Parts: sequence; structure tokens; C-alpha cells
Amino acid sequence: DIVMTQSPLSLPVTPGEPASISCRSSQSLLHSNGNNYLDWYLQKPGQSPQLLISLGSNRASGVPDRFSGSGSGTDFTLKISRVEAEDVGVYYCMQVLRTPITFGQGTRLETK
Amino acid sequence: EVQLVESGGGLVQPGGSLRLSCAASGFTFRIRWMTWVRQAPGKGLEWVANVNQDGSDRYYVDSVKGRFTISRDNAKNSVYLQMNSLRAEDTAVYYCARGWNSGLDSWGLGTLVTVSS
Repeated sequence: DIVMTQSPLSLPVTPGEPASISCRSSQSLLHSNGNNYLDWYLQKPGQSPQLLISLGSNRASGVPDRFSGSGSGTDFTLKISRVEAEDVGVYYCMQVLRTPITFGQGTRLETK
Repeated sequence: EVQLVESGGGLVQPGGSLRLSCAASGFTFRIRWMTWVRQAPGKGLEWVANVNQDGSDRYYVDSVKGRFTISRDNAKNSVYLQMNSLRAEDTAVYYCARGWNSGLDSWGLGTLVTVSS
């Protein structure tokens, strides 16, 4: 199975400041078609998860442009350019290159 | 508007069975992969199973293989999860989600399954 490791697991951020979450996979997620099969999700308190980024860097419909995804192979990063209060919650990376699909442990972002 | 509405959760004894349903609307259901993801209380997300457009390809996490079956009925715009031989560790909120390898782009609110005597 592909193991996904996120860091940090807890991330306190002052509103208006940037934030960055790392996700590493135990195997490369780069397919021969050039896509990295890595998604990012945010689960806000009391809500279902929502898709932020697919295929490593494609922002989902309706997601603010302060969110960006980058990386390739085994190392990926989710960046928030300026954190807002509504961004609090748990962020998960997920690999979809092969089954079993696996998630990272989650990173809890809170505002200071 | 895309909507996914799960139902069928509840309290069941160990060894029992439940059938979860997910009713989809607002999109062309028959052309999309569908996925079940679960979340144990206070824990992270765990992929459970997914099914392709016509139901011919199905994949499961190892811990549910042989016990759970995913299926779909495109005429009813619904996907199902038949859960047999339930264990305490299957206790979780079960989410239905649209999609697979290009992002799970819509999620239901989830249905809670509690396995306890």
C-alpha cells in the first residue's frame, strides 16, 4: 500500500499569514501520462470533506485562488497564500494512483 | 445542483448487516465513478470502496473485502454498500462521494453506522 505522510499535524496560523502543508508518499504518484494522482481535501468542523486540489495542482471549481497545490513524484505541498478564518479545519492529502486509495493523517489548521 | 444523500445507517450488533444507500441527483449519474469513504469517531478519512460507471469494476480496502459489496443502479441514480459480518471497528460515518482519480468532487453529509452490542 502507498503510505501518505503529512506534516505538520497541527498548524496554528495568524489570519492574513501564509500556510504550507507537506504531503509525502511512499511511492511516486507520477503516472506515465504525466499526471500526479494526488488530491487535497479540507474538512471544516462539522462538515463533510470538500475537494480543494486534484491531480496535484488543479484547483477545484469554486476554490479560492489563495489555495495552490504543487509538487511531483513523492513530495507535494498545499499552500494558502493568506489564511482566512474560514480556512480552519483538517486538511488531507489522498493518493489515487492505485488501490487501496490512501489518505494522509490530516493536518489541523487553526487560527491564532 | 449536485446532491448526494446517504441513508441506511444505524445501530447494529457485531456480526450483523446493514445496507447503505446513496441517492444522487443534479448530474448524469451513469457516467461517473462513485466512492464510499468512512471516518471513525475522532479519526481520519479511510477509503472503503469504489465502483465504475456500469458496475463492472469494483475495488475495496482489504479490511472489508469479502464482507462489503458496492453496487449501483443507474436507473435509480443510486449507489449502495452492503455491509455484512460487521465489526466494532466498522463504526464510522460513511460518506458517498462522486468521482475517483480526478478528485472526489462532491460528498454527501454521511450516515452513521454504529456496531455495538
